Amino acid sequence: AQKVTQAQTEISVVEKEDVTLDCVYETRDTTYYLFWYKQPPSGELVFLIRRNSFDEQNEISGRYSWNFQKSTSSFNFTITASQVVDSAVYFCALSELIQGAQKLVFGQGTRLTINP
Amino acid sequence: GAGVSQSPRYKVAKRGQDVALRCDPISGHVSLFWYQQALGQGPEFLTYFQNEAQLDKSGLPSDRFFAERPEGSVSTLKIQRTQQEDSAVYLCASSRGTGAYEQYFGPGTRLTVT
Repeated sequence: AQKVTQAQTEISVVEKEDVTLDCVYETRDTTYYLFWYKQPPSGELVFLIRRNSFDEQNEISGRYSWNFQKSTSSFNFTITASQVVDSAVYFCALSELIQGAQKLVFGQGTRLTINP
Repeated sequence: GAGVSQSPRYKVAKRGQDVALRCDPISGHVSLFWYQQALGQGPEFLTYFQNEAQLDKSGLPSDRFFAERPEGSVSTLKIQRTQQEDSAVYLCASSRGTGAYEQYFGPGTRLTVT
Protein backbone atom coordinates (compact mmCIF):
# COMPACT_ATOMS: atom_id res chain seq x y z
CA ALA A 1 0.00 0.00 0.00
CA GLN A 2 1.06 3.57 -0.58
CA LYS A 3 2.43 5.47 2.37
CA VAL A 4 3.78 8.97 2.92
CA THR A 5 5.83 9.96 5.95
CA GLN A 6 6.48 13.52 7.01
CA ALA A 7 8.63 13.05 10.08
CA GLN A 8 8.71 16.73 11.04
CA THR A 9 5.51 17.52 12.89
CA GLU A 10 6.34 21.17 13.54
CA ILE A 11 9.07 23.54 12.40
CA SER A 12 9.59 27.08 13.62
CA VAL A 13 12.11 29.46 12.06
CA VAL A 14 12.79 33.16 11.94
CA GLU A 15 11.84 35.10 8.86
CA LYS A 16 14.39 35.04 6.00
CA GLU A 17 15.81 31.68 7.05
CA ASP A 18 15.75 28.81 4.58
CA VAL A 19 13.72 25.78 5.62
CA THR A 20 13.37 22.27 4.21
CA LEU A 21 10.34 20.05 4.70
CA ASP A 22 11.01 16.34 4.37
CA CYS A 23 8.82 13.79 2.64
CA VAL A 24 9.50 10.06 2.29
CA TYR A 25 7.16 7.76 0.44
CA GLU A 26 6.55 4.04 -0.14
CA THR A 27 5.02 2.57 -3.25
CA ARG A 28 5.24 -0.57 -5.35
CA ASP A 29 4.06 1.25 -8.46
CA THR A 30 6.59 2.05 -11.16
CA THR A 31 4.58 5.03 -12.33
CA TYR A 32 3.33 7.43 -9.72
CA TYR A 33 2.93 11.11 -8.96
CA LEU A 34 3.98 13.19 -5.99
CA PHE A 35 2.36 16.40 -4.82
CA TRP A 36 2.81 19.16 -2.29
CA TYR A 37 -0.13 21.12 -0.91
CA LYS A 38 -0.23 24.09 1.47
CA GLN A 39 -3.03 24.45 4.04
CA PRO A 40 -3.15 27.97 5.50
CA PRO A 41 -5.27 28.75 8.57
CA SER A 42 -8.30 29.28 6.34
CA GLY A 43 -8.28 25.51 5.80
CA GLU A 44 -8.30 25.29 2.02
CA LEU A 45 -5.62 23.05 0.53
CA VAL A 46 -3.63 24.92 -2.10
CA PHE A 47 -1.86 22.96 -4.83
CA LEU A 48 1.86 23.72 -5.11
CA ILE A 49 3.44 21.11 -7.37
CA ARG A 50 2.98 17.76 -9.10
CA ARG A 51 5.94 15.60 -10.12
CA ASN A 52 5.84 12.30 -11.98
CA SER A 53 8.13 9.41 -11.14
CA PHE A 54 10.02 9.60 -14.43
CA ASP A 55 11.17 13.16 -13.97
CA GLU A 56 13.88 13.49 -11.36
CA GLN A 57 14.88 17.00 -12.28
CA ASN A 58 14.71 19.43 -9.43
CA GLU A 59 12.21 22.20 -9.83
CA ILE A 60 12.36 25.81 -8.72
CA SER A 61 9.49 28.26 -8.59
CA GLY A 62 10.42 31.57 -7.07
CA ARG A 63 11.43 30.96 -3.46
CA TYR A 64 10.19 27.36 -3.61
CA SER A 65 12.24 24.40 -4.78
CA TRP A 66 11.69 20.66 -4.77
CA ASN A 67 14.25 17.87 -4.65
CA PHE A 68 13.00 14.49 -5.92
CA GLN A 69 15.31 11.55 -5.29
CA LYS A 70 13.96 8.18 -6.38
CA SER A 71 16.92 6.32 -4.86
CA THR A 72 15.89 7.42 -1.37
CA SER A 73 12.14 7.70 -2.10
CA SER A 74 12.14 11.29 -1.03
CA PHE A 75 10.51 14.44 -2.32
CA ASN A 76 11.70 17.33 -0.16
CA PHE A 77 10.49 20.92 -0.32
CA THR A 78 12.66 23.95 0.43
CA ILE A 79 11.52 27.50 1.01
CA THR A 80 14.29 30.04 0.58
CA ALA A 81 14.22 33.34 2.46
CA SER A 82 11.04 32.38 4.30
CA GLN A 83 8.31 34.93 4.96
CA VAL A 84 5.59 35.14 7.59
CA VAL A 85 2.99 34.41 4.89
CA ASP A 86 4.59 30.99 4.40
CA SER A 87 3.23 29.92 7.79
CA ALA A 88 0.87 27.01 7.15
CA VAL A 89 0.60 23.25 7.31
CA TYR A 90 2.28 21.59 4.35
CA PHE A 91 1.25 18.18 3.05
CA CYS A 92 3.11 15.82 0.80
CA ALA A 93 0.93 13.37 -1.13
CA LEU A 94 1.37 10.32 -3.36
CA SER A 95 -1.01 9.20 -6.07
CA GLU A 96 -2.62 5.79 -5.92
CA LEU A 97 -4.43 4.41 -8.94
CA ILE A 98 -8.06 3.60 -8.34
CA GLN A 99 -10.87 2.96 -10.78
CA GLY A 100 -10.34 5.52 -13.47
CA ALA A 101 -8.41 8.06 -11.43
CA GLN A 102 -5.61 8.70 -9.00
CA LYS A 103 -6.59 9.32 -5.40
CA LEU A 104 -4.17 11.09 -3.09
CA VAL A 105 -2.51 9.49 -0.09
CA PHE A 106 -1.36 12.24 2.25
CA GLY A 107 1.30 12.44 4.90
CA GLN A 108 0.43 13.78 8.33
CA GLY A 109 1.65 17.25 7.47
CA THR A 110 4.32 19.61 8.79
CA ARG A 111 3.19 22.74 10.59
CA LEU A 112 5.55 25.55 9.60
CA THR A 113 5.68 28.74 11.62
CA ILE A 114 7.69 31.69 10.38
CA ASN A 115 8.36 34.21 13.13
CA PRO A 116 9.00 37.87 12.32
CA GLY B 1 -17.45 29.44 -10.20
CA ALA B 2 -13.78 30.18 -9.84
CA GLY B 3 -13.07 27.46 -7.33
CA VAL B 4 -14.58 24.55 -5.44
CA SER B 5 -17.20 25.63 -2.93
CA GLN B 6 -18.65 23.71 -0.03
CA SER B 7 -21.59 24.32 2.25
CA PRO B 8 -22.17 24.64 5.06
CA ARG B 9 -18.74 25.69 6.27
CA TYR B 10 -19.59 24.60 9.81
CA LYS B 11 -22.14 22.10 11.03
CA VAL B 12 -22.96 21.09 14.57
CA ALA B 13 -25.10 17.99 14.88
CA LYS B 14 -26.41 16.12 17.86
CA ARG B 15 -25.44 12.46 17.96
CA GLY B 16 -27.94 10.46 15.96
CA GLN B 17 -28.91 13.25 13.56
CA ASP B 18 -28.49 12.98 9.80
CA VAL B 19 -26.38 15.58 7.97
CA ALA B 20 -25.87 16.50 4.33
CA LEU B 21 -22.74 18.25 3.07
CA ARG B 22 -22.69 19.90 -0.34
CA CYS B 23 -19.86 20.34 -2.84
CA ASP B 24 -19.89 22.50 -5.96
CA PRO B 25 -16.86 21.54 -8.07
CA ILE B 26 -15.13 23.67 -10.65
CA SER B 27 -17.33 23.83 -13.74
CA GLY B 28 -16.46 21.15 -16.26
CA HIS B 29 -14.35 19.07 -13.91
CA VAL B 30 -14.92 15.40 -14.53
CA SER B 31 -13.49 13.96 -11.33
CA LEU B 32 -14.75 14.66 -7.82
CA PHE B 33 -13.26 13.35 -4.60
CA TRP B 34 -14.33 13.46 -0.96
CA TYR B 35 -11.74 13.33 1.81
CA GLN B 36 -12.04 13.31 5.61
CA GLN B 37 -9.50 15.23 7.68
CA ALA B 38 -9.31 14.56 11.41
CA LEU B 39 -7.72 17.16 13.64
CA GLY B 40 -3.95 17.27 13.19
CA GLN B 41 -3.97 14.65 10.45
CA GLY B 42 -3.70 14.58 6.69
CA PRO B 43 -6.82 14.15 4.58
CA GLU B 44 -7.98 10.58 3.97
CA PHE B 45 -9.82 9.43 0.87
CA LEU B 46 -13.50 8.61 1.17
CA THR B 47 -14.96 8.26 -2.31
CA TYR B 48 -14.54 9.20 -5.98
CA PHE B 49 -16.91 10.14 -8.81
CA GLN B 50 -16.21 10.27 -12.51
CA ASN B 51 -19.05 12.42 -13.80
CA GLU B 52 -22.14 10.90 -12.18
CA ALA B 53 -20.64 7.45 -11.64
CA GLN B 54 -19.31 6.59 -8.19
CA LEU B 55 -16.33 4.45 -9.14
CA ASP B 56 -14.69 4.00 -5.78
CA LYS B 57 -16.19 4.18 -2.31
CA SER B 58 -13.62 2.09 -0.52
CA GLY B 59 -12.78 4.83 1.96
CA LEU B 60 -16.27 5.33 3.36
CA PRO B 61 -15.94 4.30 7.02
CA SER B 62 -19.36 2.72 7.42
CA ASP B 63 -22.68 2.20 5.69
CA ARG B 64 -23.91 5.34 7.44
CA PHE B 65 -21.94 7.33 4.87
CA PHE B 66 -23.46 7.85 1.45
CA ALA B 67 -22.45 10.11 -1.45
CA GLU B 68 -24.10 11.04 -4.71
CA ARG B 69 -23.50 13.19 -7.77
CA PRO B 70 -26.66 12.64 -9.79
CA GLU B 71 -26.03 15.06 -12.66
CA GLY B 72 -22.27 14.90 -12.73
CA SER B 73 -21.71 18.29 -11.12
CA VAL B 74 -22.84 19.04 -7.54
CA SER B 75 -22.17 16.29 -5.03
CA THR B 76 -23.66 15.59 -1.62
CA LEU B 77 -22.11 13.58 1.16
CA LYS B 78 -24.70 12.32 3.62
CA ILE B 79 -24.00 10.90 7.03
CA GLN B 80 -26.82 9.11 8.79
CA ARG B 81 -27.14 8.70 12.56
CA THR B 82 -23.99 10.74 13.22
CA GLN B 83 -21.55 9.56 15.88
CA GLN B 84 -18.90 11.52 17.75
CA GLU B 85 -16.14 9.85 15.76
CA ASP B 86 -17.60 11.44 12.61
CA SER B 87 -16.39 14.85 13.84
CA ALA B 88 -13.86 16.04 11.26
CA VAL B 89 -13.39 18.38 8.33
CA TYR B 90 -14.87 17.00 5.13
CA LEU B 91 -13.01 18.17 2.04
CA CYS B 92 -14.19 18.03 -1.53
CA ALA B 93 -11.79 18.19 -4.48
CA SER B 94 -12.26 18.22 -8.22
CA SER B 95 -9.93 17.72 -11.16
CA ARG B 96 -10.35 18.23 -14.87
CA GLY B 97 -9.52 14.75 -16.00
CA THR B 98 -9.26 11.17 -14.94
CA GLY B 99 -5.48 10.89 -14.71
CA ALA B 100 -3.15 12.24 -12.06
CA TYR B 101 -4.23 15.81 -12.56
CA GLU B 102 -3.89 18.21 -9.70
CA GLN B 103 -6.92 18.22 -7.45
CA TYR B 104 -8.42 21.54 -6.42
CA PHE B 105 -9.86 21.57 -2.95
CA GLY B 106 -12.76 23.41 -1.40
CA PRO B 107 -12.59 25.09 2.03
CA GLY B 108 -14.16 22.09 3.71
CA THR B 109 -17.08 21.57 6.06
CA ARG B 110 -16.17 21.26 9.73
CA LEU B 111 -18.59 18.79 11.31
CA THR B 112 -18.86 18.63 15.07
CA VAL B 113 -21.04 15.92 16.59
CA THR B 114 -22.05 16.58 20.19
